[in-house]
Amino acid sequence: GDSVTQMEGPVTLSEEAFLTINCTYTATGYPSLFWYVQYPGEGLQLLLKATKADDKGSNKGFEATYRKETTSFHLEKGSVQVSDSAVYFCALAYDKVIFGPGTSLSVIP
Amino acid sequence: NAGVTQTPKFQVLKTGQSMTLQCAQDMNHNSMYWYRQDPGMGLRLIYYSASEGTTDKGEVPNGYNVSRLNKREFSLRLESAAPSQTSVYFCASSPTLQGNYGYTFGSGTRLTVV
Repeated sequence: GDSVTQMEGPVTLSEEAFLTINCTYTATGYPSLFWYVQYPGEGLQLLLKATKADDKGSNKGFEATYRKETTSFHLEKGSVQVSDSAVYFCALAYDKVIFGPGTSLSVIP
Repeated sequence: NAGVTQTPKFQVLKTGQSMTLQCAQDMNHNSMYWYRQDPGMGLRLIYYSASEGTTDKGEVPNGYNVSRLNKREFSLRLESAAPSQTSVYFCASSPTLQGNYGYTFGSGTRLTVV
């Protein structure tokens, strides 16, 4: 069946460091891909999405490119801030939504 | 503000008590969902409603019931709470069942069963 795999966390970075959170997926069709962010004590928020191969989703300095050939949708940000500390979930949507397990990010000053 | 509203935000129940978690969305979305989030278990789908008048079981429906009261409201009921139902519950909505436009989540209900 369809699935989403994310890199294990927690990830700890210094402020202004480069961020990559890996996400790979398995799907029988051609899904839409998403990144959601969950700040402490809050619900998940849609961060960015891509609907077809080679699409790049971007928001708040975060980017991810839909790579069909490697079945990946890695999240990147060039310079993280303390306020980016949160849990990040990769997800796919085809006939239903599948969430990855989440990756916790802590950014220290 | 447009979005998904959940009530209550916090609740403590004794084993065997019942309660209903409320969820309402004002985005005219067709589909609504209830998830629970537990440490190390990720998000697990309890029930969903593809459209007004329909509901279906998700991965972990045992011990829960739902009602899609109208297009806006989707409630989750615990008939006889158990400690294993201690969790954070999230309601979400989407224009389509497939979720290909993305979900909008509520801020959650933190439930403790003692």
